[in-house]
Amino acid sequence: GENVEQHPSTLSVQEGDSAVIKCTYSDSASNYFPWYKQELGKGPQLIIDIRSNVGEKKDQRIAVTLNKTAKHFSLHITETQPEDSAVYFCAAPTPNTGNQFYFGTGTSLTVIP
Amino acid sequence: DAEITQSPRHKITETGRQVTLACHQTWNHNNMFWYRQDLGHGLRLIHYSYGVQDTNKGEVSDGYSVSRSNTEDLPLTLESAASSQTSVYFCASSENSGGSYEQYFGPGTRLTVT
Repeated sequence: GENVEQHPSTLSVQEGDSAVIKCTYSDSASNYFPWYKQELGKGPQLIIDIRSNVGEKKDQRIAVTLNKTAKHFSLHITETQPEDSAVYFCAAPTPNTGNQFYFGTGTSLTVIP
Repeated sequence: DAEITQSPRHKITETGRQVTLACHQTWNHNNMFWYRQDLGHGLRLIHYSYGVQDTNKGEVSDGYSVSRSNTEDLPLTLESAASSQTSVYFCASSENSGGSYEQYFGPGTRLTVT
């Protein structure tokens, strides 16, 4: 969506290395930022989310950081594994709604064994 | 287990034909959404519904319509299919309970308009 920019569009890393995907948003009132993973032939699935009252959230090898001042948030995957290969989407709420989202254009991550 | 299903998974149709894509969820969620996914555009919202008899236009609603006669189903209709509507379509549902905004996506329908 026009209010969320996501970079890079493609990313290749060696197995075991880290991957970082960045998104920026425009609505300063946004307060919830999810990340979705889409495997080939499947629908997207939520992997982690963050609310605006925290700056970082971790879940095993994945983490999300949020900088409200700069209006950007990032997904970090450490110790990447081949099964991390997928398309990742960030999202931010549309203005004045709590349950509609603009999605980023996606990042195709390839983890090279 | 609760789930969200879409049918058909693949569809080829001709320009000008009416097409309906089905979406069925057993989560008992009030919110349902239709997106299309195109390379370089990510997921774009077509229509959404917050409950029975409620429907709303999304970002790219022209040429599409939906109806919500019960909680479980939100069919998407292309009134007169156009080649520009060749895409992968995803249905999703959500329930804003406990502060969660997670959307549960179906497996998608790949539509080709020739």
